[in-house]
Amino acid sequence: GDSVTQMEGPVTLSEEAFLTINCTYTATGYPSLFWYVQYPGEGLQLLLKATKADDKGSNKGFEATYRKETTSFHLEKGSVQVSDSAVYFCALSEVGGNEKLTFGTGTRLTIIP
Amino acid sequence: SQTIHQWPATLVQPVGSPLSLECTVEGTSNPNLYWYRQAAGRGLQLLFYSVGIGQISSEVPQNLSASRPQDRQFILSSKKLLLSDSGFYLCAWSVQNNQPQHFGDGTRLSIL
Repeated sequence: GDSVTQMEGPVTLSEEAFLTINCTYTATGYPSLFWYVQYPGEGLQLLLKATKADDKGSNKGFEATYRKETTSFHLEKGSVQVSDSAVYFCALSEVGGNEKLTFGTGTRLTIIP
Repeated sequence: SQTIHQWPATLVQPVGSPLSLECTVEGTSNPNLYWYRQAAGRGLQLLFYSVGIGQISSEVPQNLSASRPQDRQFILSSKKLLLSDSGFYLCAWSVQNNQPQHFGDGTRLSIL
C-alpha cells in the first residue's frame, strides 16, 4: 500500500537558518504530493502541492520538488522565521483513490530567535 | 468561498459515554468528506470518508461510526467511548479530481 516516510523530529533551528525536512513516498501509481502545516492548537492548512514529476510547489518561501526518480518531496526554506514553528506533514493522494490522503507522521519544527 | 466548521472545539467525556462530533461545509456541493484522528505525538489516521450522502467507507475497524445525513454534513459518533478514543479529530473536505483537502480546526477529545 501507499506510505509516506518523514524525517523524524523534533527539529530546532535558529532564526534565518536553512530548513530541509525530508519526505519520501511509496505509491503504486502516480500520486499527487502535498505538504500541510499545523500551527499549535489548529487544524491543518495546505502549504504547497505538486501533481506530477518535476513540479515544484511553493508558498510562503517554502519549496518542494516532486522527484519521481528518488520518490521524494523534500520541504525547504532558505531563511526560517519564528512564525514558522509548527508541525509539518508530508502527504500523498493517489489519482482515482477517492482523494484519500496518506500522511507521514509529522515533523515538529521549532525556531528560536 | 468555501468554509468548513467543526464543533465542539474541545470535549471531555467519561469512558462509556456516547459521542457526536459534527462537521459542515459551506460554499460547495457534493464534496468528498473525511474524518481523521491524530493521537498524541502521532500522525494522522484516516477513519472514514464519504463520496456522497449515505455513502461511508471505513478505513479502520473501531467503535466509531460516521454518517452523512446531508450533502455537506458529516457526523462522527460512538455509542460507548474508550480511553483509546482520546485524540484530536479533524474533518476535511475536497472536491473531485485530485484536489487538495481542506481541514477544519479540529476537536480535541479527552476521555476520563
